[in-house]
Amino acid sequence: GENVEQHPSTLSVQEGDSAVIKCTYSDSASNYFPWYKQELGKRPQLIIDIRSNVGEKKDQRIAVTLNKTAKHFSLHITETQPEDSAVYFCAASRDGGFKTIFGAGTRLFVKA
Amino acid sequence: SQTIHQWPATLVQPVGSPLSLECTVEGTSNPNLYWYRQAAGRGLQLLFYSVGIGQISSEVPQNLSASRPQDRQFILSSKKLLLSDSGFYLCAWRSGGAGTEAFFGQGTRLTVV
Repeated sequence: GENVEQHPSTLSVQEGDSAVIKCTYSDSASNYFPWYKQELGKRPQLIIDIRSNVGEKKDQRIAVTLNKTAKHFSLHITETQPEDSAVYFCAASRDGGFKTIFGAGTRLFVKA
Repeated sequence: SQTIHQWPATLVQPVGSPLSLECTVEGTSNPNLYWYRQAAGRGLQLLFYSVGIGQISSEVPQNLSASRPQDRQFILSSKKLLLSDSGFYLCAWRSGGAGTEAFFGQGTRLTVV
């Protein structure tokens, strides 16, 4: 079945450094790749997404890259701040389908 | 604007007791609805999804069931809870198929004792 693997499971960085989270997916028909941020005890919320017709997308300090050939995509956070501390989930899905497959999540700690 | 309501926020239930979690969506019609479970420190596991009234797809065989009695209402139930049912349950909706953003409810933290 479809699968999304996410690494690392835990990431600790110093404030101001960059953080990178990587995901791979198995369903070659996947064409939509959202990233969600979940703060402690709260609901996941979309922070950025990318479609398969684009290789990179940026929104201020957050960027996502996609390599369709290798079936992997990554989240990049630059100039990290303590409020970036949260669990981040990658996901993959495809138009016309109804399921979104989530990665296991990455717990990011940003140390002040 | 669209909103999603999920309740209760927290629940402590004894083993063997029944369960009913409710989720409603406002401001949209014919949404695709989802129930996810998040065990402590784990990812989001899709339990059920529904593309219309009375249409339920189950992803994981277990002692849970789901129902969609109305267009914007999604209910997660169990007749007899197990300890392993403890977790954080999230309802979500989409306006279209999987190629669109999902909006999550506030979640229900269920502890089975």
